[in-house]
Amino acid sequence: GAVVSQHPSWVICKSGTSVKIECRSLDFQATTMFWYRQFPKQSLMLMATSNEGSKATYEQGVEKDKFLINHASLTLSTLTVTSAHPEDSSFYICSARDQGGGLYYGYTFGSGTRLTVV
Amino acid sequence: GDSVTQMEGPVTLSEEAFLTINCTYTATGYPSLFWYVQYPGEGLQLLLKATKADDKGSNKGFEATYRKETTSFHLEKGSVQVSDSAVYFCALADNTNAGKSTFGDGTTLTVKP
Repeated sequence: GAVVSQHPSWVICKSGTSVKIECRSLDFQATTMFWYRQFPKQSLMLMATSNEGSKATYEQGVEKDKFLINHASLTLSTLTVTSAHPEDSSFYICSARDQGGGLYYGYTFGSGTRLTVV
Repeated sequence: GDSVTQMEGPVTLSEEAFLTINCTYTATGYPSLFWYVQYPGEGLQLLLKATKADDKGSNKGFEATYRKETTSFHLEKGSVQVSDSAVYFCALADNTNAGKSTFGDGTTLTVKP
């Protein structure tokens, strides 16, 4: 079945630095990828929709300049947390759908990235 | 907008007990409905799905039926195992809203031996 690889699984960074998280679809082409943030014991909050070859669509309240999203190919989307601060510490998860999937086959999720900013 | 309301947890059951986790939704279009499971420290895995009214999704002994009249998609399993301990998310994807998924708050299930 469809597999989405997310890397790294966990990262610790210093306050003020930037961190890049990668999301790759391994055996299908993902025209659309979604980035979520999940706080402990809470549900997933959609941050942005990443579309291949175009600008990402951010949800209300999500800072575009802080969370940079690049979807340069049909198999790779990246999320860069710029000038990270402790309040950015969270679990970030990506999901992807292929051109014919999503609504009918469900979305495939990456394994998530635990970001800790110290 | 779309929303999903899930039964509050946590839910604690003994092994082999019957499980029900309630889920209701509101949507402007004709959504597809999903249950996802999340094990500690991991991402979400699709458990089952239903794409139209009266469809029954099933997987690994779990079942849920898409009930349009009650806007519900309750998750059930006849006999839970310790390995079923996880967080369960009910979700919908609305094809009138770019296919975005809306998730419930999640229900934590703990199964004791």
